[in-house]
Amino acid sequence: EIVLTQSPGTLSLSPGERATLSCRASQSVSSNYFAWYQHKRGQAPRLLIYGASSRATGIPDRFSGSGSGTDFTLAISRLEPEDFAVYYCQQYGDSPRTFGQGTKVEIK
Amino acid sequence: EVQLVESGGGLVQPGGSLRISCSASGFIFSGHIMHWVRQAPGKRLEYVSAISATGESTYYADSVKGRFTISRENSKNTVDLQMSSLRSEDAAMYYCVKSQGGTATASGYFDHWGQGALVTVSS
Repeated sequence: EIVLTQSPGTLSLSPGERATLSCRASQSVSSNYFAWYQHKRGQAPRLLIYGASSRATGIPDRFSGSGSGTDFTLAISRLEPEDFAVYYCQQYGDSPRTFGQGTKVEIK
Repeated sequence: EVQLVESGGGLVQPGGSLRISCSASGFIFSGHIMHWVRQAPGKRLEYVSAISATGESTYYADSVKGRFTISRENSKNTVDLQMSSLRSEDAAMYYCVKSQGGTATASGYFDHWGQGALVTVSS
């Protein structure tokens, strides 16, 4: 199965700063079937990005996804207070679908 | 508005059984593949099971194969996960997930998630 490794484990930033989250796959992801999710404690995870770079419905344009093959990035241009959460990457091109271990974005 | 509401979580002894359910609304349920994803404390999200729109095709992770059964009732907009021979490592928050496109085994991204049902396995 494809193993996804996210870095860093924790990102400590202030509101208004830019966040850059990385995810590396152990092998190439088929057809860029790659997604990012935001998860806040006690809430349902929320889809942010699919197809590596397409924003899901209702997601602000400060969120952007990029990458292909084995290296993918989620960028948040200017952190808003509601953006502090855990972010997971996922590949859904190969079976089984797998997730990264998560990056926590916390307030500095 | 799409809503996925899980129910049926609780405490069960090792070796026991539990059935969790997901009630869906806000979309054409019979047109979408449905999934279960779990997260144990301190662990990453783990893909557990999927069922095709008609219910004819299913998928199970190796870790639950032979012990878990997924089913759906399109007339009631529900999808269930019957769990048996439960182990301590099955303790987790179980999320009901709707996907957009794809098959039961691959492709199709997860566009809506429920808030989860907590399953605790302990004597």
